[in-house]
Amino acid sequence: DAGVIQSPRHEVTEMGQEVTLRCKPISGHDYLFWYRQTMMRGLELLIYFNNNVPIDDSGMPEDRFSAKMPNASFSTLKIQPSEPRDSAVYFCASSPGEREHNEQFFGPGTRLTVL
Amino acid sequence: GQSLEQPSEVTAVEGAIVQINCTYQTSGFYGLSWYQQHDGGAPTFLSYNGLDGLEETGRFSSFLSRSDSYGYLLLQELQMKDSASYFCAVNDYKLSFGAGTTVTVRA
Repeated sequence: DAGVIQSPRHEVTEMGQEVTLRCKPISGHDYLFWYRQTMMRGLELLIYFNNNVPIDDSGMPEDRFSAKMPNASFSTLKIQPSEPRDSAVYFCASSPGEREHNEQFFGPGTRLTVL
Repeated sequence: GQSLEQPSEVTAVEGAIVQINCTYQTSGFYGLSWYQQHDGGAPTFLSYNGLDGLEETGRFSSFLSRSDSYGYLLLQELQMKDSASYFCAVNDYKLSFGAGTTVTVRA
């Protein structure tokens, strides 16, 4: 298995632009998670899905952030408009199911820089 | 909500033993997980404790005391490649991570 795939790996954009981050979870995994990691705030859960349905989006910082999971093999995290404070590494992770909820498999991350 | 505390940094020499403590306060709890993250890399799963006691996986062991809201990760026979950040995380249908402990292994 290729593991969790994220694209792009690096993104540099200007303030006000729309940013779309993409994730392909491990096949067969029912849970998908989006995290953000910064030096100041550490590793924060933004949102997670179960069987393509958003379950908890309480970590989404504000309305500029949105996430979708149109099918079991694809999810997007969109920031519109982007701001410099959104600069961070964004990780996508997937998990096989509730009994194995303890183990999550992380993708390589997308390093976002907003100028 | 969740609150986790772990030391920010630990330094040790090769071959030594390091214990990283984690205390937590949480409204819901299923277990305590540990993840390793090398600089520039992604977090990777190390261990999970759903019940009290010790779990051993090779050179790494993890312990949980639910009554004390406390756990630790024990790294034995330290190697240079163990230099990384280690995170404890409370499992409550989702993971809430601590701030991480940076372990530096010196020759």
